[in-house]
Amino acid sequence: SQQGEEDPQALSIQEGENATMNCSYKTSINNLQWYRQNSGRGLVHLILIRSNEREKHSGRLRVTLDTSKKSSSLLITASRAADTASYFCATAGDSNYQLIWGAGTKLIIKP
Amino acid sequence: GAGVSQSPRYKVAKRGQDVALRCDPISGHVSLFWYQQALGQGPEFLTYFQNEAQLDKSGLPSDRFFAERPEGSVSTLKIQRTQQEDSAVYLCASSPGGGGNQPQHFGDGTRLSIL
Repeated sequence: SQQGEEDPQALSIQEGENATMNCSYKTSINNLQWYRQNSGRGLVHLILIRSNEREKHSGRLRVTLDTSKKSSSLLITASRAADTASYFCATAGDSNYQLIWGAGTKLIIKP
Repeated sequence: GAGVSQSPRYKVAKRGQDVALRCDPISGHVSLFWYQQALGQGPEFLTYFQNEAQLDKSGLPSDRFFAERPEGSVSTLKIQRTQQEDSAVYLCASSPGGGGNQPQHFGDGTRLSIL
């Protein structure tokens, strides 16, 4: 079963614009992780944010977490064609090792 | 190795045949996960190993699915008497320690097509 829901399901923007993707989840978490998947490839870890953190940055990526709303957002600034991929959020609870995944946002960056 | 390696990358089998999918995790990684990913969906958990111990196999769809990691490194996912609904991408991931509190490192998957 999938816990996370990404929004939007698909996003198409011009190169250079910012892209924002949202993730909502249902149960309490220990951390939330964002991954990228290029077509036909495996997933690549981007950022892990713990439940006691509100914001985290990595290069052009900014992730926020609002545990009261059970939601997270991923912002990619100054998008590039190479950012074209599907982006997934995954949540980890306190008591187990499973990551529960959303269905992903498909991001297309138009040159 | 440098990353998680899966083989074969593509597998086509006739309905009823048995298949075996291999995962070579990053050397020294304790945790190993198998996922099934349908087109346009996120990964669905199948099973979890900590070293050679299979601690959770709750996600395996049926008793036709079997996974092992006998020496705590390479893992094999076996599907017996394949059905068309088994067609999917099978992803393997590993992480350094136990638990879900670390990033997982993924292979590129095996795309399984059952005719």
